[in-house]
Amino acid sequence: DAGITQSPRHKVTETGTPVTLRCHQTENHRYMYWYRQDPGHGLRLIHYSYGVKDTDKGEVSDGYSVSRSKTEDFLLTLESATSSQTSVYFCAISVQGMNTEAFFGQGTRLTVV
Amino acid sequence: QQQVKQSPQSLIVQKGGISIINCAYENTAFDYFPWYQQFPGKGPALLIAIRPDVSEKKEGRFTISFNKSAKQFSLHIMDSQPGDSATYFCAASGSARQLTFGSGTQLTVLP
Repeated sequence: DAGITQSPRHKVTETGTPVTLRCHQTENHRYMYWYRQDPGHGLRLIHYSYGVKDTDKGEVSDGYSVSRSKTEDFLLTLESATSSQTSVYFCAISVQGMNTEAFFGQGTRLTVV
Repeated sequence: QQQVKQSPQSLIVQKGGISIINCAYENTAFDYFPWYQQFPGKGPALLIAIRPDVSEKKEGRFTISFNKSAKQFSLHIMDSQPGDSATYFCAASGSARQLTFGSGTQLTVLP
């Protein structure tokens, strides 16, 4: 496995609470991504980063924010969790971006009750 | 807005058979077409990828066929094995910053 660690791996939280998911890489790759995976939708991009403090929105960014203060860490925050954010979240990294090979973490299963 | 359409949603194949998964895209700016394989409880992993300057790419039992004019590409798994049972995602990218995935195909290879 590429050196990607997602934490936590599983989380149950209540509606309205803030939640932060962490992605940590040991590969020193420039690009980092957050995707969510839902049945029938494949993987959809939430946010991505192309460098420290350089981030941008993806297809389904509403309700999410990100931060990248160090090359190795990319944080995804749900400001006020809703049931529609129940999903499996994957972090991915890539040396040269998504038009080359990307490596995915093991995923975080988040349940909002 | 789904820019990459994948079919079928599920596929059952006998051991030794050929598995075929199809994808169609809309954005002519896409220039990188990977297939990812995902096992339960794991993240997707790159299986094989193609760029539009070739019409076919083969790696072992896995082949991508690409039809630029039709904006379609497909994955062929020859001599399918039970260990190939997984979910397969096609994807497309036109820049370093985004990869658009299809909805996935759950492949089951019967022993």
